Amino acid sequence: DIQMTQSPSSVSASVGDRVTITCRANQGLSSRLAWYLQRPRKAPKLLIYDASSLQSGVPSRFSGSGSGTDFTLTISSLQPEDFGTYYCQQAKTFPLTFGGGTKVEVK
Amino acid sequence: EVQLVESGGGLVQPGGSLRLSCAASGFTFSDHYMDWVRQAPGKGLEWVGRIRDKGNSYTTEYAASVKGRFTISRDDSRNFLYLQMNSLKTEDTAVYYCARDLRESAAFFDYWGQGTLVTVSS
Repeated sequence: DIQMTQSPSSVSASVGDRVTITCRANQGLSSRLAWYLQRPRKAPKLLIYDASSLQSGVPSRFSGSGSGTDFTLTISSLQPEDFGTYYCQQAKTFPLTFGGGTKVEVK
Repeated sequence: EVQLVESGGGLVQPGGSLRLSCAASGFTFSDHYMDWVRQAPGKGLEWVGRIRDKGNSYTTEYAASVKGRFTISRDDSRNFLYLQMNSLKTEDTAVYYCARDLRESAAFFDYWGQGTLVTVSS
């Protein structure tokens, strides 16, 4: 199975901050990676797919980059609705696997 | 508007069975691969399995942790997705989400249901 490692596991940030989350795979994924945001007690929401494609309706302050084994999600200016847990997910091979999550909390 | 609504969760004893349903609306259900993803209390996301469309013979994939115990099926005439869970274990306790695949060639999930809680306990 492909192991997905996210860092940091948590980050404290303020509204307006730039936030960067990384995801590393133990095998090459090409660009088969997605990012999701899960707010408390809600279902996950797709933000980025194919490593850098912005899902329809997602604000442009979210961006994704990387290929192969190292990927990054950047929030250019954190907004109140952006607090929650972020997950990366690989879609290169079965079983599909998620990273352990990065919790973005209010500083 | 795309909607996915899960039902069928509840309390079941270890070794028991449960069938979850996911009612889909607002899109052409038969055109999309569908998946189940679960989340144990306070834990991260775990993919459970996938079912492809009629054109791909409704073939399925499963996580090793559920293979042989869980079965995914679909009824395209009624726009329903199912998860039959047998031989349940305490570690199967989780919120179960159904999710739609963004497109055939990549298993990214663009719509999710609200989830249904399954508790396996004696």
